[in-house]
Amino acid sequence: EAQVTQNPRYLITVTGKKLTVTCSQNMNHEYMSWYRQDPGLGLRQIYYSMNVEVTDKGDVPEGYKVSRKEKRNFPLILESPSPNQTSLYFCASSVGQSNTEAFFGQGTRLTVV
Amino acid sequence: AQSVAQPEDQVNVAEGNPLTVKCTYSVSGNPYLFWYVQYPNRGLQFLLKYITGDNLVKGSYGFEAEFNKSQTSFHLKKPSALVSDSALYFCAVRDLRGNDMRFGAGTRLTVKP
Repeated sequence: EAQVTQNPRYLITVTGKKLTVTCSQNMNHEYMSWYRQDPGLGLRQIYYSMNVEVTDKGDVPEGYKVSRKEKRNFPLILESPSPNQTSLYFCASSVGQSNTEAFFGQGTRLTVV
Repeated sequence: AQSVAQPEDQVNVAEGNPLTVKCTYSVSGNPYLFWYVQYPNRGLQFLLKYITGDNLVKGSYGFEAEFNKSQTSFHLKKPSALVSDSALYFCAVRDLRGNDMRFGAGTRLTVKP
């Protein structure tokens, strides 16, 4: 089954404790991205990757890092999480064409206390 | 940069009545437009897209959307709403470069029996 898998689904952590949210897709998609969803703001892009070893900042990259060492994986790293990073996070992938739809993971609800 | 506006936070309709969820966009050049639906505790699911051609696009679950270039709109419609259509709906736009899919803030659709 074609899918985007995120882990964990839920995470509660403390301020400053480094964490990684994993994302993996099995569709051989070139393009992957991370979004955060906050009430009233919709989805805002954090980082995206056009292909292996190619990443770039989205609209809200501060406090986040990503890497793309393999085509299927695109982890999101929070080196020192803060409470304002409490949010619902989504990973998405698509074929590397602008007219193709994105496939989304089921989301990771992160709470930073 | 491209942007999307969903002017209604909430839309309420009675089951069996037609529904419309509004979306307007701003983009340089020709847009690629998308609608996604989000059910509780789930990721976004693709409904339909406009790339080129017919202004009326048909998608999943009986939904359709009408592209109107002069009004820069891409409203989502369904002739007869179901209670199971109740969800959060997002409009999104991509430009020709395709690097950045911009989402609206979302519209919560509630269909009452």
